[in-house]
Amino acid sequence: QKEVEQDPGPLSVPEGAIVSLNCTYSNSAFQYFMWYRQYSRKGPELLMYTYSSGNKEDGRFTAQVDKSSKYISLFIRDSQPSDSATYLCAMMRENQGGKLIFGQGTELSVKP
Amino acid sequence: GAVVSQHPSRVICKSGTSVKIECRSLDFQATTMFWYRQFPKKSLMLMATSNEGSKATYEQGVEKDKFLINHASLTLSTLTVTSAHPEDSSFYICSASTTGTYEQYFGPGTRLTVT
Repeated sequence: QKEVEQDPGPLSVPEGAIVSLNCTYSNSAFQYFMWYRQYSRKGPELLMYTYSSGNKEDGRFTAQVDKSSKYISLFIRDSQPSDSATYLCAMMRENQGGKLIFGQGTELSVKP
Repeated sequence: GAVVSQHPSRVICKSGTSVKIECRSLDFQATTMFWYRQFPKKSLMLMATSNEGSKATYEQGVEKDKFLINHASLTLSTLTVTSAHPEDSSFYICSASTTGTYEQYFGPGTRLTVT
């Protein structure tokens, strides 16, 4: 079993839709939860970061962490064609030298 | 935000030759740099972690003699793929972070093709 599981998609939605992206994980020691966005042939860029459980909102993006269920989500409201990219969840334990464990990534396409 | 560059962005080499990829933090001092490998439509797989002035720590299954990593300064790390073979063709991405922070800043990646 992989430490972090993420549905690879692809996911296609119309412009303006609410997008829900999810990851599950098996290691309860993870404390830092990130979402990265990666455009084709580019490096990932950090979108959202959450420490432990809870919600975090930044503009059209909301990240949720449910540690009891080992489940994290990223919601994108009013999705735009420019949101079309691969979204990767990543997790990190305390005192592990910053080692990130990534999900497979979900490919999202927002159609105008 | 912090900027990390990689050079070259693309490289094509013949089988058996060695290729060096540079990773630079342009506007901050990176105490730790990470090297990842990414296959098409796949996740990033951590290859190794390097701290400035120390030997790199390689992940299980990564050949340290094949993937030589040097982190000679707080702004530069290099990955050398020695005696490259077609199966080494991949997208290599570095990231950099500073002590005490969780955030890693990623470079744009280097596409290596071995013919």
